[in-house]
Amino acid sequence: QVQLQESGPGLVKPSETLSLTCTVSGGSISSYYWSWIRHPPGKGLECIGYISYSGSTNYNPSLTSRATISVDTSKNQFSLKLRSVTAADTAVYYCARAHTTGDYFDYWGQGTLVTVSS
Amino acid sequence: DIQMTQSPSSLSASVGDRVTITCRASQSVSIFLNWYQQKPGKAPKLLIYAASSLQSGVPSRFSGSESGTDFTLTISSLQPEDFATYYCQQSYSNPWTFGQGTKVEI
Repeated sequence: QVQLQESGPGLVKPSETLSLTCTVSGGSISSYYWSWIRHPPGKGLECIGYISYSGSTNYNPSLTSRATISVDTSKNQFSLKLRSVTAADTAVYYCARAHTTGDYFDYWGQGTLVTVSS
Repeated sequence: DIQMTQSPSSLSASVGDRVTITCRASQSVSIFLNWYQQKPGKAPKLLIYAASSLQSGVPSRFSGSESGTDFTLTISSLQPEDFATYYCQQSYSNPWTFGQGTKVEI
């Protein structure tokens, strides 16, 4: 059974960089798209972007200037960095696996709340 | 961005009821439409992918259908564990976008 687990700071100061890591267990990070999705309080779910095991990326155009997703296949991990955060970036952040045929999220992490505040 | 509009935003139903949730795309998404269930404090769970394919392990009372840019999630007989929020999501065009959710309440 594939499992995903997010890790990283729960509090980030405005203008700093949000950094999260997702560790994949129970399966290889090879194949599939490895994704980040966020859910701001009181708002809808938003796809941030995804990375393939080979390192090719695709970002939400609204975040492409601030977001970087990377993968470390040796550790079965992938990561998100979001630069110059503001209070609007406060959200529950999920990592998820997306099928490359059909593009649906079939496995999700439990989510981690990141609050942007001084 | 492709806008996904769900209706209703919330509904009240009883155990055993047939429930239908609709999702309308602002433009064609072919069959790249998925449905998720989310319970409070939990991650979304995939129910239906490619408009009408049932994810492995999901009860057969859940079904999906498509008619042009309109998509429907049907729960044939609502069970106590089905009270949750349901989201549609298109994966036809970047950025992949979600509907605003439909909360199914007792």
